[in-house]
Amino acid sequence: KAGVTQTPRYLIKTRGQQVTLSCSPISGHRSVSWYQQTPGQGLQFLFEYFSETQRNKGNFPGRFSGRQFSNSRSEMNVSTLELGDSALYLCASRTPRGGGQETQYFGPGTRLLVL
Amino acid sequence: DQQVKQNSPSLSVQEGRISILNCDYTNSMFDYFLWYKKYPAEGPTFLISISSIKDKNEDGRFTVFLNKSAKHLSLHIVPSQPGDSAVYFCAATPSLIKAAGNKLTFGGGTRVLVKP
Repeated sequence: KAGVTQTPRYLIKTRGQQVTLSCSPISGHRSVSWYQQTPGQGLQFLFEYFSETQRNKGNFPGRFSGRQFSNSRSEMNVSTLELGDSALYLCASRTPRGGGQETQYFGPGTRLLVL
Repeated sequence: DQQVKQNSPSLSVQEGRISILNCDYTNSMFDYFLWYKKYPAEGPTFLISISSIKDKNEDGRFTVFLNKSAKHLSLHIVPSQPGDSAVYFCAATPSLIKAAGNKLTFGGGTRVLVKP
C-alpha cells in the first residue's frame, strides 16, 4: 500500500505570494491532518479534515486554510506569505475507527522557503 | 503554553547502551501518548504508543513508561543502535474527547545520536 504523498517536496516563494500544497492520503484513509514544523516551535497542528469537512483547527491565522476533496485528497493554502511561514509542512492520514487511538501516518513533507 | 515538553533537545549515547528520552505534559485531559521517530527529509514515523490505562508498553527494543500522577512519560531504547540516530517526538491526545479529532500535541523533539 502506497504511503502518504505530498507535492511539491520543495518550494520557494517570496513574501506576499500565496502557495498551495497537496496531500494524497493512504488509500482508504478518510482523515487528513496538516502540521507545521519549525525549528523554534516544533510540530504544530494546523487542521484536520474528514469527509470533506474541517473537524479541528489549530491556533493559526486565517491566512492558513485547507480543503478536502471527495477522494480524500487534501490541499492547504497559505495566502500573503510571511518570512515566518518558512517551514516543513507535514500531512498525516488515518482511518478513524473511534477513540482517537489510531496511528497517524505522515508524508515526507513539503519544505517551504519564503524569501 | 507548551502542553507537551521534551526538556532535553539532544542526547548522545554509545552503541549498545540504553537511551532514555523524557517527556512531560501539563494537560490532564491527555490520555493517549505516542512516540514518533523522524529522519531528516522524511515525515515522522510512528514508533510506539501507550494508553493512560497502562503504565508500560513494550515493543522489541522500545519501551514506553507512563507516570500519570507525575504527568511524565519516557521512552527507553535498549540496546541503542546507530540506526536509532534520529529526532524523537512525543505526542499526546485526549482521545476520549471526540472533538479532539485527529489533533496531536507534540513536544519539541530530542535529537538522539548513537555512537558506534
